[in-house]
Amino acid sequence: EAGVAQSPRYKIIEKRQSVAFWCNPISGHATLYWYQQILGQGPKLLIQFQNNGVVDDSQLPKDRFSAERLKGVDSTLKIQPAKLEDSAVYLCASSSTTLGAYNEQFFGPGTRLTVL
Amino acid sequence: KQEVTQIPAALSVPEGENLVLNCSFTDSAIYNLQWFRQDPGKGLTSLLLIQSSQREQTSGRLNASLDKSSGRSTLYIAASQPGDSATYLCAPSGTGGFKTIFGAGTRLFVKA
Repeated sequence: EAGVAQSPRYKIIEKRQSVAFWCNPISGHATLYWYQQILGQGPKLLIQFQNNGVVDDSQLPKDRFSAERLKGVDSTLKIQPAKLEDSAVYLCASSSTTLGAYNEQFFGPGTRLTVL
Repeated sequence: KQEVTQIPAALSVPEGENLVLNCSFTDSAIYNLQWFRQDPGKGLTSLLLIQSSQREQTSGRLNASLDKSSGRSTLYIAASQPGDSATYLCAPSGTGGFKTIFGAGTRLFVKA
């Protein structure tokens, strides 16, 4: 079974530029998560989708971050414009859902973003 | 607001030791708790998932316990090996005011 795929693996941009990350979850997983992990910290949930609907985006900086999951499969996370403090690893995860409960989360390899 | 604390922040042990990693959380309204391992520069690997109705889960040399009422989970690693060196993260998930919250992790180094 293929795991969670993410691209690109690394990205370096100048501040005020825009960037987009892509995630393809495990086949059949209805729930998709985007996390931000700053060096030395645990991941922080940015947004959670159930199929193509948003379950939680309370920690997403909506003035600069946006995410979509068209057709309930792949997802993209965009930052526009980027700030220095956005330098982090962006992790995508997916899980299946049973009777409304979220199951085990599986993570992709992440995208390491450096903003100069 | 859910807060997750992992103690100790770092741990160095000789190979073969049994060890316990601790995770505490402030809001007991969780439906599961997951333990992960993260190797440097890599993504997270799921180790164990404990549902709120369970007390413990075992996988090989790993055993995780959950005491929801006291807001605690422990990860027990038996007969540690150098390959166990990594950062271990716990993450309770709930409904209502929070979803998944991660602790900062315990960085483990097992010396050969």
